Amino acid sequence: QKEVEQNSGPLSVPEGAIASLNCTYSDRGSQSFFWYRQYSGKSPELIMFIYSNGDKEDGRFTAQLNKASQYVSLLIRDSQPSDSATYLCAVIEAAGNKLTFGGGTRVLVKP
Amino acid sequence: NAGVTQTPKFRILKIGQSMTLQCTQDMNHNYMYWYRQDPGMGLKLIYYSVGAGITDKGEVPNGYNVSRSTTEDFPLRLELAAPSQTSVYFCASSYALHGAEAFFGQGTRLTVV
Repeated sequence: QKEVEQNSGPLSVPEGAIASLNCTYSDRGSQSFFWYRQYSGKSPELIMFIYSNGDKEDGRFTAQLNKASQYVSLLIRDSQPSDSATYLCAVIEAAGNKLTFGGGTRVLVKP
Repeated sequence: NAGVTQTPKFRILKIGQSMTLQCTQDMNHNYMYWYRQDPGMGLKLIYYSVGAGITDKGEVPNGYNVSRSTTEDFPLRLELAAPSQTSVYFCASSYALHGAEAFFGQGTRLTVV
């Protein structure tokens, strides 16, 4: 079983709609959770991180964490064509010192 | 502010050749990572380091070696290159583990033929 799992997509959403991305993780003791965005041919860049159960909002992005169910999600409100990218979920497990990534979800926002 | 710098950006290797991918950061970060990314896939951790002199294996360490003699530098060595090592390699660093952003280099696109 992979440690961090994401649906590879593509997730196609119309401009202005909400894009919902999900990520599940296997280590129940994981403490820190990150969402990175990666444009084609570019390096990943951090969108936001979350470590407490509940929601965290930053502009058009909302991260949601549910440790009991071992999932973290990302909502993109008012999706724009510039949001078209691959979104990578990353987790730091309880016992390790490493940042582990999921396979990424490709998002396509259509005008 | 240079951040994380990787060299080279592109490289073609023949099967069996060796090379070192260079990574240096100027942010005084303790944590450094090497990832590989195959086409259409996520990042797989090769090796990581929590400080100078300390390294550990990640998910896919076979065929690679690392060293961390200074805080700034974290080179990745490929011995006896194989076609399966064709990938894009990213180096990253962060000042802490939890709640800290990992900054990535621009990547090295390696092709083994």
